[in-house]
Amino acid sequence: KAGVTQTPRYLIKTRGQQVTLSCSPISGHRSVSWYQQTPGQGLQFLFEYFSETQRNKGNFPGRFSGRQFSNSRSEMNVSTLELGDSALYLCASSFNDVQETQYFGPGTRLLVL
Amino acid sequence: ILNVEQSPQSLHVQEGDSTNFTCSFPSSNFYALHWYRWETAKSPEALFVMTLNGDEKKKGQISATLNTKEGYSYLYIKGSQPEDSATYLCASSNSGYALNFGKGTSLLVTP
Repeated sequence: KAGVTQTPRYLIKTRGQQVTLSCSPISGHRSVSWYQQTPGQGLQFLFEYFSETQRNKGNFPGRFSGRQFSNSRSEMNVSTLELGDSALYLCASSFNDVQETQYFGPGTRLLVL
Repeated sequence: ILNVEQSPQSLHVQEGDSTNFTCSFPSSNFYALHWYRWETAKSPEALFVMTLNGDEKKKGQISATLNTKEGYSYLYIKGSQPEDSATYLCASSNSGYALNFGKGTSLLVTP
């Protein structure tokens, strides 16, 4: 069974640009969550989608958005990039919710210059 | 956002030592507690998911306990090996849809 995949793995952008990151969950999983890790911080929850609906959103500005497609693949978008958005972005998938094992992808490392 | 705290922040032990880490989390509206093992340049690997007070889980030489009434969980590693070197993360949820992570305990096991 293929694991969670994320593309691209690395990305360099400049301030003011926007970026789209993609996450393909494990086959059959309908819940996809996104997390951000910056130096010195733990993983911070961004949002969670289930069957194309956002069920929960973390404390991030509106520049951070996401969506989920009918095949459960998910994308997150960051507009008007800031230097502080440089981080590792991880997605995780599960069948339903956090009472189940969350399977993480390898992450996308974003560098904003 | 209520914090998940992990201690110690880092730990250096010798091969064969047993060790344990602590995770404290908000006990109100508790939904689930997760432990992960995260090696550099790899994805976080799920170790345990616990949902009931008094839960005890075991996987090889690693085990975990959960106390939801007082809001803490312990992770134990018996007879640490160099390949156990990693960052161990715990995360709790009170919503069902989001995990609040601690900053992790970095474990180094030297031969």
